[in-house]
Amino acid sequence: EIVLTQSPGTLSLSPGERATLSCRASQSVSSSYLAWYQQKPGQGPRLLIYGASSRATGIPDRFSGSGSGTDFTLTISRLEPEDFAVYYCQQYGSSPLFGGGTKVEIK
Amino acid sequence: QVQLVQSGAEVKKPGASVKVSCKASGYTFTSYDINWVRQATGQGLEWMGWVNANSGNTGYAQKFQGRVTMTRNTSISTAYMELSSLRSEDTAVYYCARGRDLVEHYYFGMDVWGQGSTVTVSS
Repeated sequence: EIVLTQSPGTLSLSPGERATLSCRASQSVSSSYLAWYQQKPGQGPRLLIYGASSRATGIPDRFSGSGSGTDFTLTISRLEPEDFAVYYCQQYGSSPLFGGGTKVEIK
Repeated sequence: QVQLVQSGAEVKKPGASVKVSCKASGYTFTSYDINWVRQATGQGLEWMGWVNANSGNTGYAQKFQGRVTMTRNTSISTAYMELSSLRSEDTAVYYCARGRDLVEHYYFGMDVWGQGSTVTVSS
């Protein structure tokens, strides 16, 4: 069974800084089936990236995804105040699952 | 607009069952999977399974095999998730989410989510 490990657990940054979030899979994952979500307190998840690097509809271009195989990255080029949230990666292969999440908090 | 609207909060006793509904609108219901994801308070997202809204085929996470049943009614564009033998650890918010595009045969991510249904299991 694939395990998705997200790091760091918490990222403390200031608005305007760059955020780099990692998602590592225990075995190779098809890039077509790798997605990233944002979740704010009291809200449901919001799709940011699918297919490892394609932005979902309406997602600002400061969000980008990259990677292949077992290592994937979500980058937020310049943090806006509304970007402080929890981020989850997800693989949708034979046994879909989510990573444990990375919290991006204001420093 | 495209949306999924879920049924309301439920309070159940241990050992009981709960059935949560998810009504789709704004798109062709049978063109996508519906996934179910849950989240306990302060915890991460946990994928439970999917139902192919066209064929009715299902796929469940191993953890829930034997205890969960996902169905759909195409005439009213509604998907259902029933979880039995409830225990306190099942207390969570349950979400439905649109998944795989069955026409394009591609996964564009879970792009539409319901508002969540809170299920509380307590004696």
